[in-house]
Amino acid sequence: AQSVTQPDIHITVSEGASLELRCNYSYGATPYLFWYVQSPGQGLQLLLKYFSGDTLVQGIKGFEAEFKRSQSSFNLRKPSVHWSDAAEYFCAVKGGGADGLTFGKGTHLIIQP
Amino acid sequence: DGGITQSPKYLFRKEGQNVTLSCEQNLNHDAMYWYRQDPGQGLRLIYYSQIVNDFQKGDIAEGYSVSREKKESFPLTVTSAQKNPTAFYLCASRSGTGGNTIYFGEGSWLTVV
Repeated sequence: AQSVTQPDIHITVSEGASLELRCNYSYGATPYLFWYVQSPGQGLQLLLKYFSGDTLVQGIKGFEAEFKRSQSSFNLRKPSVHWSDAAEYFCAVKGGGADGLTFGKGTHLIIQP
Repeated sequence: DGGITQSPKYLFRKEGQNVTLSCEQNLNHDAMYWYRQDPGQGLRLIYYSQIVNDFQKGDIAEGYSVSREKKESFPLTVTSAQKNPTAFYLCASRSGTGGNTIYFGEGSWLTVV
């Protein structure tokens, strides 16, 4: 069965600093990988996704992520964070078929002024 | 606008009562999903449906029921058999024509007192 690990429950970053959120997955074949962001009490918004091809994918709001098969990782990065980036971030993996996504437990991002 | 609409946003019910959460999508998506979110637990799949009149149990289906009588609608009933129903519930959908991206509604808060 597939699984996703987000090792950091909370991360605090100063505004303007760079950001990297870690995600490791377990899946037997090439996975479909996603990053979602959730503001308090809201649904999930898709930031970016990886299906195949270029391992560095660009998303919305200035985010990017790099798929590294050898490390089973799909880390999310942003060169300079803004206060509005404070939210919960979820990494997810999807196998074939329609049985939904498997999510990590999320990383709560706090932005310091 | 196209999207996924969940209602109500907030719902309070007495213990032992069944409640139904509505999910409607106008994206013409084939697959629909229900997830439950608890603090620190990420999202867990309750039920999913790939086509009308068909649905499958997810990881935590006990105490829940669904129906899929129309393509655009996938209501979730939280029954009195669900031992801990207070949670945030998210509905999602995915295009069946080769699409692997899952999109989410804004969620419904259920509080059982």
